[in-house]
Amino acid sequence: DAGITQSPRHKVTETGTPVTLRCHQTENHRYMYWYRQDPGHGLRLIHYSYGVKDTDKGEVSDGYSVSRSKTEDFLLTLESATSSQTSVYFCAITGTHYPYEQYFGPGTRLTVT
Amino acid sequence: QQPVQSPQAVILREGEDAVINCSSSKALYSVHWYRQKHGEAPVFLMILLKGGEQKGHDKISASFNEKKQQSSLYLTASQLSYSGTYFCGTVPTLWGGTSYGKLTFGQGTILTVHP
Repeated sequence: DAGITQSPRHKVTETGTPVTLRCHQTENHRYMYWYRQDPGHGLRLIHYSYGVKDTDKGEVSDGYSVSRSKTEDFLLTLESATSSQTSVYFCAITGTHYPYEQYFGPGTRLTVT
Repeated sequence: QQPVQSPQAVILREGEDAVINCSSSKALYSVHWYRQKHGEAPVFLMILLKGGEQKGHDKISASFNEKKQQSSLYLTASQLSYSGTYFCGTVPTLWGGTSYGKLTFGQGTILTVHP
């Protein structure tokens, strides 16, 4: 257990509203990631962080922003949610020892109506 | 570019063997394998690093052919608990020899094991 929690676990929101998902880890890992998972697409990287206030874009970053003000928290924000952002969102961290496998949080199921 | 997994789905009886393949168009540094059960998070199985190393995890093993940018996952004498979706994730050599950073996942292979 890598000590990763996500909140909320389920959320239903309306198109156009802002939404923030939270990932919290207790292991002081440096690298954190946000993925979305959709049928037929597997897991796709949205954004990742390699330290406090250090973030970078993944392959599907449009419409998403992230922030990391503390090592333990990595926030994903949908500025104005759209129906195409209905998905399951997973947070992940990288282990602290070589070869740096990734461990995933339990996921957040987001529905945009 | 997303690695391609094959087959997309496989159905087995307990005790049978299966092979899942992962192929990339990019030169790779490492390949990760994960298993995900319905409604749960992906769970790490193993990493294969550049150098052709073959690893094992109980009756699950994998190989990595860096020249062909391909990896294969071998499930031997399958058990009911092996059912789930298997994903490979690749890290290109672009990342300077490190295996952390941008993992690109395949679309997944659904494995179903029947009694």
